[in-house]
Amino acid sequence: QVQLVQSGAEVKKPGASVKVSCKASGYTFTGHYIHWVRQAPGQGLEWVGWINPYSGATNDAQKFQGRVSMTTDTSISTAYMELSRLRSDDTAVYFCARDGLSSIPMDVWGQGTTVTVSS
Amino acid sequence: DIQMTQSPSSLSASVGDRVTITCRASQGISNFLAWYQQKPGKVPKLLIYGASILQSGVPSRFSGSGSGTDFTLTISSLRPEDVATYYCQQFNSDPLTFGGGTKVEIK
Repeated sequence: QVQLVQSGAEVKKPGASVKVSCKASGYTFTGHYIHWVRQAPGQGLEWVGWINPYSGATNDAQKFQGRVSMTTDTSISTAYMELSRLRSDDTAVYFCARDGLSSIPMDVWGQGTTVTVSS
Repeated sequence: DIQMTQSPSSLSASVGDRVTITCRASQGISNFLAWYQQKPGKVPKLLIYGASILQSGVPSRFSGSGSGTDFTLTISSLRPEDVATYYCQQFNSDPLTFGGGTKVEIK
């Protein structure tokens, strides 16, 4: 079945970087964009950005001001989201989600990765 | 950026009640609107896309309507398993944006 499996929880210090992985299975990885969405504790959903695994093109929310880097390794059907210069307000659960075809948005989600930023 | 405003932010209703959640976009988004359900401690789940198209496997008591700037999610007969927070999302243009969420509880 279609599945996205994310890497485990991370604890980082302010100013550090974190890289979260998202391994896809059950479908053609290069055929669907991957979105990244985050959710701070007790808060709503916030879109981080997307990557097109076929072309490598990306787009991310302006608020991250170049701190986000999204990449893929198509040989192992895995997407990565790296967030640099971490701040305490980056503490959140980070989800990857598959963009469906035919104008179907995020139809399959990873289980989430908790990133805690604390000194 | 397109702002998505949901109302109410929370509601409490009885089992069997009809529940309506509204979502307003700050500018027209045609029908590029999705609804997600997130149960406590769980991953968001796509319920509806294209404003009114039910995702496969979603119970028929859920329905969506609207176009342009005003949208509605309706649960025709609330069940205990529908306790969750519901989010609307526009996917008309980047940056994709979500509403603030509506928390649905049982009275």
